Amino acid sequence: GAVVSQHPSRVICKSGTSVKIECRSLDFQATTMFWYRQFPKQSLMLMATSNEGSKATYEQGVEKDKFLINHASLTLSTLTVTSAHPEDSSFYICSARDLLAVGYEQYFGPGTRLTVT
Amino acid sequence: KQEVTQIPAALSVPEGENLVLNCSFTDSAIYNLQWFRQDPGKGLTSLLLIQSSQREQTSGRLNASLDKSSGRSTLYIAASQPGDSATYLCAVIYMEYGNKLVFGAGTILRVKS
Repeated sequence: GAVVSQHPSRVICKSGTSVKIECRSLDFQATTMFWYRQFPKQSLMLMATSNEGSKATYEQGVEKDKFLINHASLTLSTLTVTSAHPEDSSFYICSARDLLAVGYEQYFGPGTRLTVT
Repeated sequence: KQEVTQIPAALSVPEGENLVLNCSFTDSAIYNLQWFRQDPGKGLTSLLLIQSSQREQTSGRLNASLDKSSGRSTLYIAASQPGDSATYLCAVIYMEYGNKLVFGAGTILRVKS
């Protein structure tokens, strides 16, 4: 149980285009999903927290107009990188918290490798 | 600012050796602490989660302890194997931050055969 999927696993796009990444909780409902970014040889940095049906909360320094997050259902959150630039190239990982679980445990997706050329 | 620190940054050991990875955090007011494994280019695999009321958790050859008063956790790996080679991440949910995980920088482990 507690499986989180991400799609796509890898994406290459041209500078200036937009890219959408999906995060799904497959076997549980997630009121809260989290988006992280990881640069090479660095740890995960939280970008934003999204709650189903409401606006996402962004961490300091993360541009909300550039990284659009939508959490329209209890099993799906999307991250759209708008007008992507090479410096946005990174590994993006989502996680989800089970509505029914205790202890605030988060379940992580396999990540999406974004390369902007 | 609440942080998580992991020591050592990298560790190389021969196969079969027992080893300890260390994690420290800056505030004892936490909901839980979680240890993850990350293989190169891959996502996170949750290894052990310790609730704030617990002292340790065990899974197979892994044992994680939690000492909130000193702000420390250790991950003990018994009889290490080459397949244990990966980056190990420690993460904490601080009460001050609600439900957000704060990650350490990780320990890169290499087990030599």
